[in-house]
Order: sequence, then C-alpha cells, then structure tokens
Amino acid sequence: NAGVTQTPKFQVLKTGQSMTLQCAQDMNHNSMYWYRQDPGMGLRLIYYSASEGTTDKGEVPNGYNVSRLNKREFSLRLESAAPSQTSVYFCASSEVGRTNYGYTFGSGTRLTVV
Amino acid sequence: KQEVTQIPAALSVPEGENLVLNCSFTDSAIYNLQWFRQDPGKGLTSLLLIQSSQREQTSGRLNASLDKSSGRSTLYIAASQPGDSATYLCAVLSSGSRLTFGEGTQLTVNP
Repeated sequence: NAGVTQTPKFQVLKTGQSMTLQCAQDMNHNSMYWYRQDPGMGLRLIYYSASEGTTDKGEVPNGYNVSRLNKREFSLRLESAAPSQTSVYFCASSEVGRTNYGYTFGSGTRLTVV
Repeated sequence: KQEVTQIPAALSVPEGENLVLNCSFTDSAIYNLQWFRQDPGKGLTSLLLIQSSQREQTSGRLNASLDKSSGRSTLYIAASQPGDSATYLCAVLSSGSRLTFGEGTQLTVNP
C-alpha cells in the first residue's frame, strides 16, 4: 500500500548512544517532515525538507540532525541521545503548493532513552 | 506564530449521540485545515481536509466546517459508535507550509 514507512517501530537507547530513524514515502511527494509527540505538548515539528536537497529547522531541532537522502527518504539522527528525547516520532510527507493535498503520516517510532 | 486550540480536551458520550469537537486557530491566513484520528499507540489517519476557500467537507458520518474569518472549525460526528473512540487532532497549514497541531480531543463512546 502507498504511504509513509518508518523504521524501527520501537527502540530503547542508553543515554549518549546514537541512532538513526528511517523514513520512506512512495507517493512522489516533494516535502517530508519529522515530528515528535509528547503528552501535553501535542505534535511539534523537528525538521522538514521542502524538496530534495533542502532541509530546515522546525520548532524543536536541538539534538537532532536530518538527511534527505533522495526524494523518497528522509532520516532523523540522534547523535547523543538524552532522556528528554524519549518520545514518539512521526514522519510525514506532503506535496508543497498543492493545498488540496493533506499530510500523510507514518505509524511512528516509540523511542525510550534510559 | 500560529496557535491551535482544541476544546474539550476529553469527551465521554453514550453510543448513538451526535457530538461536536471544536478547533480554533489564531492566524486566519491558512491554506487548509485537516482533521486526523489517532488510535492509542498508532499513527495519524487523515479524516477530512478543508481548503481555505471551502466551508465544509463531509465523509460518511463526519462533517467538518470551517469559518476562516473567525478562526474556527468544528468536527461533527453523527450517531457515534464505540469504534469512534480515539483522539481527534486538528491541524492547520499556514505560511511556510508549516502544519500546526492542536493537542487533540480524546473521545470515548460508551456502549
């Protein structure tokens, strides 16, 4: 089925460890996004990529890096994980400039940093 | 900065009741508004998208309205069912192609 695929679904890290969250979409969308969801905070934008080759900071970028590998793939890296990064991470994609298109979200990655 | 507020934060109703979820936003310069459903431990499923030029959208028992000038949207659910139990999120697309979310309304429909 067409959509946004995220891996892994669950991950436990120790403080200071690094990891990369993977995201791929097969809808030929130009734009991709990484959000985190925390209780009482809603979904907050970490980074986004308006098109292949570009990335920009969102609302909460500190402690994260991203790579837009190609049009399909957008990865999120935690270089040195901290307990404050315990969250559910969602990747999304959309078609910029097409306001009749909504966002499509992946199923999420539940990350716990101990 | 766009801010989105959803009221109520939680709602519990008996099966069969019609209900309304509310969403308000501070900056009326939006491109569209999207309603999502999120089941516990799951991702977001898009329910309805209303473009800024539209007043409402319908899908089955769901009807979403948009009053851009007053910064408000409502999601109407007719004849609610236990399977409608979930968190409903409202999100607006504003300048810079940024999607801003409300914190959601947690709906419980009791059999």
